[in-house]
Amino acid sequence: GAVVSQHPSRVICKSGTSVKIECRSLDFQATTMFWYRQFPKQSLMLMATSNEGSKATYEQGVEKDKFLINHASLTLSTLTVTSAHPEDSSFYICSAGTGGKQPQHFGDGTRLSIL
Amino acid sequence: GENVEQHPSTLSVQEGDSAVIKCTYSDSASNYFPWYKQELGKGPQLIIDIRSNVGEKKDQRIAVTLNKTAKHFSLHITETQPEDSAVYFCAASPASSSGGSYIPTFGRGTSLIVHP
Repeated sequence: GAVVSQHPSRVICKSGTSVKIECRSLDFQATTMFWYRQFPKQSLMLMATSNEGSKATYEQGVEKDKFLINHASLTLSTLTVTSAHPEDSSFYICSAGTGGKQPQHFGDGTRLSIL
Repeated sequence: GENVEQHPSTLSVQEGDSAVIKCTYSDSASNYFPWYKQELGKGPQLIIDIRSNVGEKKDQRIAVTLNKTAKHFSLHITETQPEDSAVYFCAASPASSSGGSYIPTFGRGTSLIVHP
């Protein structure tokens, strides 16, 4: 149980385009979803936390207009990287939690490469 | 905020040996300590966790210990196998003020290499 599906697994696109990444909880309802960014050989850095039906809470230093998060249902959250530039290239990982002081469950990540 | 230190950054062992990864944390309010295994190109997978009311927990070849007084916790893998090779992250999290999911602070990771 507790499967989180993330799509796409890899994206390569030109600078200036916007990219949308989907995160779905397949067999449970996720009251909260989290978005992380991970640089090579680095740890996971939390970007934002989103609760279904409300605005996301962004960590300090993360531009909310750059990284748009939508959590429209209890099983789907999306991260849109707007006007992406090469410095946005990274590994983006989502996770989902059921609340009730339970651990997060992670998706398999999206490798974003901006040319 | 919480600060989690993890050592070593790289650990190389022979198949069958034991591997130990150690972490320290700074926030005495942290009471949940998960360990994640991340294989190349994949997201982290929870392999074991421990809560502050327990000093030790074991699951087959994996065990975790927690010393709340010293604010450190460790992952022990016995009889290592090549498929154990991955990056391991420790994390620490305080209880959620809203009763929601834990939001852990991660260590920097340990790259474990098990040689056949």
